[in-house]
Amino acid sequence: EDQVTQSPEALRLQEGESSSLNCSYTVSGLRGLFWYRQDPGKGPEFLFTLYSAGEEKEKERLKATLTKKESFLHITAPKPEDSATYLCALSRTSYDKVIFGPGTSLSVIP
Amino acid sequence: DTGVSQNPRHKITKRGQNVTFRCDPISEHNRLYWYRQTLGQGPEFLTYFQNEAQLEKSRLLSDRFSAERPKGSFSTLEIQRTEQGDSAMYLCASSLTSGEPGEQYFGPGTRLTVT
Repeated sequence: EDQVTQSPEALRLQEGESSSLNCSYTVSGLRGLFWYRQDPGKGPEFLFTLYSAGEEKEKERLKATLTKKESFLHITAPKPEDSATYLCALSRTSYDKVIFGPGTSLSVIP
Repeated sequence: DTGVSQNPRHKITKRGQNVTFRCDPISEHNRLYWYRQTLGQGPEFLTYFQNEAQLEKSRLLSDRFSAERPKGSFSTLEIQRTEQGDSAMYLCASSLTSGEPGEQYFGPGTRLTVT
């Protein structure tokens, strides 16, 4: 069965302290791996799509990378406004449903 | 366009009552998705539409749940005979058929509390 897991469940960082979030997946053929940000009480906001191992995408202080079994979201010199839950998701085909992981709750302390 | 909208934003109902939620997607988006999310979990897929056709429904979804998308525009999600376990945030999202299925735009959600 297709599955997405994320670690850690929660992460507290000091402002400026870089770190990485992990997304591990098992799927019978990957179409795309997606990262979302979700603020409390709001719907998720799309960040990145990754298609193949070795691919990288960047946006401000965030960089997402992909291997055959994992994806990482690297956060460089985070700021308090980066505090949110980060969700990883995947699809098998362009017509398939999207499966979300449980998320990592990130808190950045000033 | 102001994005995906959902109504109501909050709903409190008594166990056994029926509830209906509405989702208005981004106007040019022909795919529409419904998800359920509980505290500490990611969105759980319920069903999705391409235009007015319901293409997939989660096998975890009981027969008390039904969704429609008449004319391929707005969508409604109805829960009959609500149970306390139905308490959750119900999220709607939309996307373009020509885009990636994971590049979805989410609404703010409807928070359901069943007492």
